[in-house]
Amino acid sequence: QQQVKQSPQSLIVQKGGISIINCAYENTAFDYFPWYQQFPGKGPALLIAIRPDVSEKKEGRFTISFNKSAKQFSLHIMDSQPGDSATYFCAASLQTGANNLFFGTGTRLTVIP
Amino acid sequence: ETGVTQTPRHLVMGMTNKKSLKCEQHLGHNAMYWYKQSAKKPLELMFVYSLEERVENNSVPSRFSPECPNSSHLFLHLHTLQPEDSALYLCASSQGNTGAGAEAFFGQGTRLTVV
Repeated sequence: QQQVKQSPQSLIVQKGGISIINCAYENTAFDYFPWYQQFPGKGPALLIAIRPDVSEKKEGRFTISFNKSAKQFSLHIMDSQPGDSATYFCAASLQTGANNLFFGTGTRLTVIP
Repeated sequence: ETGVTQTPRHLVMGMTNKKSLKCEQHLGHNAMYWYKQSAKKPLELMFVYSLEERVENNSVPSRFSPECPNSSHLFLHLHTLQPEDSALYLCASSQGNTGAGAEAFFGQGTRLTVV
């Protein structure tokens, strides 16, 4: 059973546009939601993260929107750049318990000039 | 230079071979992980070591055998693998529990192909 569902699988955006990636979860006990960015040939790297006590977190051009009642969260990349082209993974975890991040299936973002 | 180094970067092995993947972290972290990354699938946690003790084994087949001799090194010993085990194997480390907000730092991975 997949703990975190992510869409779309791939996304093509024009330079300067907004990229939006969505994730949904079922386990209401999840209380930590990070996003990881992975470039080809590299391992994933933490991009931004949020806890459910806030509905939005912004860091530069990257924003997480969190809807606790809908059990959904999304990543918005404003003014998308070709250098943002990468695979993005959402994840969820429990604060207590084993060290385990439940990842989504990833979204391959391509930003075209 | 990444704080988590994996070797080899690429590995091709036959189903009867025995090989080992190596991971070294230079970050002073107290937890290390093995993940499996397959196309169109979520990253799958395989093993977790916290303070050099294994704390998680997500029903991984016994043909995968982890070893953590100290807090900086992690190995994944492979034997009699199947073609479906072909994937990118990622090592990660963290200081504390990733669920509590500790960032997981990943290595570049070992691309394994089983023939």
